[in-house]
Amino acid sequence: GESVGLHLPTLSVQEGDNSIINCAYSNSASDYFIWYKQESGKGPQFIIDIRSNMDKRQGQRVTVLLNKTVKHLSLQIAATQPGDSAVYFCAENKYGGSQGNLIFGKGTKLSVKP
Amino acid sequence: EPEVTQTPSHQVTQMGQEVILRCVPISNHLYFYWYRQILGQKVEFLVSFYNNEISEKSEIFDDQFSVERPDGSNFTLKIRSTKLEDSAMYFCASRSGTGYEQYFGPGTRLTVT
Repeated sequence: GESVGLHLPTLSVQEGDNSIINCAYSNSASDYFIWYKQESGKGPQFIIDIRSNMDKRQGQRVTVLLNKTVKHLSLQIAATQPGDSAVYFCAENKYGGSQGNLIFGKGTKLSVKP
Repeated sequence: EPEVTQTPSHQVTQMGQEVILRCVPISNHLYFYWYRQILGQKVEFLVSFYNNEISEKSEIFDDQFSVERPDGSNFTLKIRSTKLEDSAMYFCASRSGTGYEQYFGPGTRLTVT
């Protein structure tokens, strides 16, 4: 089975609302997790990452939460804007950070309604 | 802001032909990667490259694939004899020696006919 997966394939939110995108992983040995945003026709764009020795990390309008007990990762986007519309992927480092090969989930498409 | 660049943006080739996809990673980065994304699917790891050699490769990266860093700036992916199922977006990524985050290029869309 997949090492990393996403619960919801699509998410639609109203502009200004907060968005929460979820991700599950299965490899307990993974110690690094990363969120990417991919707009149509473009490459994945780094949003935020987190190491397994942390539970929470905040960036500009984004927060990543890591629950190692249930192997769950989430990305929170505050005050979602139309420009946030994209597919969001979580990814994990399967080898504990040694070479950095990323295993990606399927992606969640976020649509922001004006 | 430094970024990964890739050329060409779109490559059309006939089945059985060789293609070379080119990437210029962010300068002073030490780790280089190729990933691919079949239309509508997730991004899949192909190969990682460090210190002028392959450090890891996936089962997708068979004998038809090879990578090279011919000089101090370019990183290439060669597919010797393309198959229809090689049609995909190919992304190059790089990371520094200090952080784990990988920065991706805009991709090359490969279409095999």
